[in-house]
Amino acid sequence: EVHLVESGGGLVKPGGSLRLSCAASGLIFSDTYMSWVRQAPGKGLEWVGRISSTTDGATTDYAVPIEGRFTISRDDSKDTVYLQMNSLDSDDTGVYYCTREAGRRWQSWGQGTLVTVSS
Amino acid sequence: DIQMTQSPSSLSASVGDRVTITCRASQSIARYLNWYQHKPGRAPKVLIYAASSLQSGVPLRFSGSGSGTDFTLTISRLQPEDFATYYCQQSYTTPFTFGPGTRVEIK
Repeated sequence: EVHLVESGGGLVKPGGSLRLSCAASGLIFSDTYMSWVRQAPGKGLEWVGRISSTTDGATTDYAVPIEGRFTISRDDSKDTVYLQMNSLDSDDTGVYYCTREAGRRWQSWGQGTLVTVSS
Repeated sequence: DIQMTQSPSSLSASVGDRVTITCRASQSIARYLNWYQHKPGRAPKVLIYAASSLQSGVPLRFSGSGSGTDFTLTISRLQPEDFATYYCQQSYTTPFTFGPGTRVEIK
């Protein structure tokens, strides 16, 4: 069974940075595409970005509001994907989920980690 | 970016009702359309992928249809555990946009 565990959320001031981690188990991580999805309070789901498998070059794609501020990376030796978030503002507040993409669908999800951007 | 819309934004229904939610893409996405169920405090769960394929373990009362730009999620007989928010998502091209969601509430 695939298990994803996010960590690293918390309170950060506007303009600050935060790095989220997502540790995976139960899968061949290096062959797996991983995405981040977020949900702002009272809002819907928003796809943040993804990193392809190492086999496919570990390339990244991002949502337009994210591009240039957030960076997704992976460490296959630790079965972990990261979301480095810079220049944070209040619109980035929300629950961040990591999720495994397989067959063009997001089948496995972590429990989410809360990020709060506030002064 | 491909824009996704859903209707209705919310609905009230009773246990046993048939419920239909529609999703429209701003351009053709073939059959690259997924449906998710999301309950407060829980992780989202994929119900339908590729427009009409039922994810393993999902009850048969859930079904999906459509192609191109117009899609439908149907719950044939609503159960108490089905009260949640439902999202469509296109997996045709990045960014993989979600619809705004449809909240299904108890009547």
